[in-house]
Amino acid sequence: AQSVAQPEDQVNVAEGNPLTVKCTYSVSGNPYLFWYVQYPNRGLQFLLKYITGDNLVKGSYGFEAEFNKSQTSFHLKKPSALVSDSALYFCAVRALNSGNTPLVFGKGTRLSVIA
Amino acid sequence: DGGITQSPKYLFRKEGQNVTLSCEQNLNHDAMYWYRQDPGQGLRLIYYSQIVNDFQKGDIAEGYSVSREKKESFPLTVTSAQKNPTAFYLCASTPLTGPGAYGYTFGSGTRLTVV
Repeated sequence: AQSVAQPEDQVNVAEGNPLTVKCTYSVSGNPYLFWYVQYPNRGLQFLLKYITGDNLVKGSYGFEAEFNKSQTSFHLKKPSALVSDSALYFCAVRALNSGNTPLVFGKGTRLSVIA
Repeated sequence: DGGITQSPKYLFRKEGQNVTLSCEQNLNHDAMYWYRQDPGQGLRLIYYSQIVNDFQKGDIAEGYSVSREKKESFPLTVTSAQKNPTAFYLCASTPLTGPGAYGYTFGSGTRLTVV
C-alpha cells in the first residue's frame, strides 16, 4: 500500500525567512513524488516532481524539494518566503512500477507567511 | 488554451436529489479522476478512469456514479444514497505515458452544498 504523511497541519513563517513543509512516504519500490499547491476555492497546481536523478528538485515559484531515500522523506523548501506563498500544500506519491495506480495525497499543510 | 473545466462552480442539492457535476478536458489526457476534499481530510479518491468506457472505484465510491463515454468527459453523479455530500469536488486528468505522466492537471472545483 502507498501512503503519505504530512505531520504538520499548519506552518507559520515570517516573510523573508526560509520555509520547510514536511512530507514522508511509504511505497513498495521506488517512489514517484509530487508537490501541489492550492489557493482558496481553487484546484491544485503542480509545483514539482521527483522520479529519478538528483535528490534536489527545483520547481515553480522558487520552491525546491529534497528527496531522502533513507528517511523516506520529500520535504518542500524555499530559501525566502513571500506572503503570496500562503496556501495549502499537498504531497503525493505513487510507486514507480505500480501499473497505472492513482496518486495518493497527504492531508495537506497550511502555510501562513506573516509580513 | 488547453485545460480542464469543471461546472458548475457552486451547486445546491435538496435532500433526495441526484445531481451531476461536469468535468471536461481538452488536453488529450488518458486518465481522469474525481476527488472529494473536506477540511482536514485532504483529497479522497472517488472514481477514476484510464480509458473510455472503463472506470474503477476509489476509496469512497459509495453514493457516487460516473461514466466515461468520451475521452474528454468524465461526469460525476452524486446520488441520494450519498448521505453527506456537502464538500468541494475536484476533477483531474493526466497522461499515462511520456514526461508528463502522472503530473495531474486539476479543474477549479465544484462546491456542493445540501440545502
